[in-house]
Amino acid sequence: EDQVTQSPEALRLQEGESSSLNCSYTVSGLRGLFWYRQDPGKGPEFLFTLYSAGEEKEKERLKATLTKKESFLHITAPKPEDSATYLCAVRSGTYKYIFGTGTRLKVLA
Amino acid sequence: GAVVSQHPSRVICKSGTSVKIECRSLDFQATTMFWYRQFPKQSLMLMATSNEGSKATYEQGVEKDKFLINHASLTLSTLTVTSAHPEDSSFYICSAPRQGASGNTIYFGEGSWLTVV
Repeated sequence: EDQVTQSPEALRLQEGESSSLNCSYTVSGLRGLFWYRQDPGKGPEFLFTLYSAGEEKEKERLKATLTKKESFLHITAPKPEDSATYLCAVRSGTYKYIFGTGTRLKVLA
Repeated sequence: GAVVSQHPSRVICKSGTSVKIECRSLDFQATTMFWYRQFPKQSLMLMATSNEGSKATYEQGVEKDKFLINHASLTLSTLTVTSAHPEDSSFYICSAPRQGASGNTIYFGEGSWLTVV
């Protein structure tokens, strides 16, 4: 069964304290792994798409990496404005997207 | 800028009435759109897949007659909550896959807060 698990469920960091969020997946025929940021009361905002093991993508303080079993979202020197819920999703087959439950990140000033 | 637009962002309706939420793909055509429901501090729950020109595909446990979905054109899908009740109050989000150079990426609307009083 296709499945996506994100950990930790919640994370509190001090400003400047780097960390990583994990997204573990089991899927038949990965056709993309996606990271989103969701602020309270808003729709998820697209961050990255990764397609193959070893691929990495960066955007400001965020860096996403992918292996055959998991993806990491590394946050370097986070700021309070990085506080949000980060969602991971995988695509298996035609238009079948499976979402994780998200990691709620809180960055303290 | 926004790729998928949702309207209204907030709506309040009386119990027993119906309310329609629109989802538009702004600069691309979407033969498929997805509708989600999200409760506070919980993840997205897929309700149904909207298919242009054919019937929507509903997830298990979602009432077809209560949540009417119409994919009227290649850029518009609507979700109508019929005979709304307070327990239907929630955050509803739509999404659409957009073809890019490397594959499809799902883009989300801004979400619609529904409050049934």
